[in-house]
Amino acid sequence: KQEVTQIPAALSVPEGENLVLNCSFTDSAIYNLQWFRQDPGKGLTSLLLIQSSQREQTSGRLNASLDKSSGRSTLYIAASQPGDSATYLCAITTSGTYKYIFGTGTRLKVLA
Amino acid sequence: DAGITQSPRHKVTETGTPVTLRCHQTENHRYMYWYRQDPGHGLRLIHYSYGVKDTDKGEVSDGYSVSRSKTEDFLLTLESATSSQTSVYFCAISEGRDTQYFGPGTRLTVL
Repeated sequence: KQEVTQIPAALSVPEGENLVLNCSFTDSAIYNLQWFRQDPGKGLTSLLLIQSSQREQTSGRLNASLDKSSGRSTLYIAASQPGDSATYLCAITTSGTYKYIFGTGTRLKVLA
Repeated sequence: DAGITQSPRHKVTETGTPVTLRCHQTENHRYMYWYRQDPGHGLRLIHYSYGVKDTDKGEVSDGYSVSRSKTEDFLLTLESATSSQTSVYFCAISEGRDTQYFGPGTRLTVL
C-alpha cells in the first residue's frame, strides 16, 4: 500500500532563510507528484506538479525535485518570507488510478 | 482561481440526521473528488467521480454516498451522521491525473 510521509510536521525559520521540505513515498511507481499550500481555514492551492519522467519543476522562489528510485521529493523555498507561512502538503498519483494520496503536511512558520 | 464552490460552508447537525454537501464547478473538469481533513490524518479520499453517474470509493467511504447527475455537481451524503464524521470536507476537481483544484471547504460538526 502506498504511503506518503512528510517530516518534519512543523518547522520555524527566520525570514530570509532557504529551506527544504521533504516528502517520502513507499512505492516508486508513481505517475506524478504535486505540492500544495494550505493557509489556515482555506482550501489547498497547487504549487507545482512533477511528472514521473521529470526531475524538477520551478516556479519563482520554489523548486521541487523528484527522485523516484529513492521515493523522495523535496520542495526548496528560497529566501523565505513571512507570507510563506502555511502548511505544505505533497500528494502522489500512481499509474492505473486517478486517486491522489496525500501526506499529512509540514506546517511552516517564517519569523519576521 | 478555479471555479469551485461548496455549500454549505458551515453546518452543525445532530447525530442520526442526514446531511448533504454540494460541490459545484464551472470548469467542466471530468474528475471530482471528496476528501475529509482531520488533525493527524491529513486529507483522506472519501469518493471520487470520473464522469456523470460514474463514481468510485476512496479509503474512507463507509457511511458516505455520492451522486453526480450533472458534470458540474457532485453531492456527498451522510445518510445518518455520526460524531466521527465531524470534519472539514473538501471538494476537488481535475482533468485526468493533472493539477487538482480545491474548493474552500465545508466545516461539519455533528453533535
